[in-house]
Amino acid sequence: ETGVTQTPRHLVMGMTNKKSLKCEQHLGHNAMYWYKQSAKKPLELMFVYSLEERVENNSVPSRFSPECPNSSHLFLHLHTLQPEDSALYLCASSPQSSGNTIYFGEGSWLTVV
Amino acid sequence: AQKITQTQPGMFVQEKEAVTLDCTYDTSDQSYGLFWYKQPSSGEMIFLIYQGSYDEQNATEGRYSLNFQKARKSANLVISASQLGDSAMYFCAMREGPGSNYQLIWGAGTKLIIKP
Repeated sequence: ETGVTQTPRHLVMGMTNKKSLKCEQHLGHNAMYWYKQSAKKPLELMFVYSLEERVENNSVPSRFSPECPNSSHLFLHLHTLQPEDSALYLCASSPQSSGNTIYFGEGSWLTVV
Repeated sequence: AQKITQTQPGMFVQEKEAVTLDCTYDTSDQSYGLFWYKQPSSGEMIFLIYQGSYDEQNATEGRYSLNFQKARKSANLVISASQLGDSAMYFCAMREGPGSNYQLIWGAGTKLIIKP
């Protein structure tokens, strides 16, 4: 069982909908990440939170809005998405002080119709 | 220029044979880390093995070992005695500089299929 849990695992939404992806980590880590994985592309880092503060935003469109209410939870709020936003969204976490390992969740498969 | 290159888009290997997945990297940093992850069709990205640039020994984790050749800038993953459950995508990634996990750079991946 992974220490990083993502819900929902699958989501289908219309372009006018508002939905959220949720990530929870049970590892006591201080850093959390959102990645996007599209077909035939390397993983793209979207957002990084360290100690609940956003430290990285890789030019992600504003239709994606992250929220980190505490060090164990991370959300990705979605609104007015486009079909090209359909992808696997992976949440990950890592210890703040360690450079060795990032642990991923199982991912949320998003389809925008 | 590609920072992480995985030259094998796909591989077929007979069960129980050893597998080598290639990864070459490009960095001018002296301190860096190299990671391998496995991604089954379910989507989860599973950490396999890590090699630090200053580690003198090749990393090993069970059936996984990393053939680290620093001068050639290669970090190939070796899976001994492959199993059907090893069929998945495999990604090589690099962290440049000490302590910053944000800057993981990913390869395009290799799809490994183990044949019974």
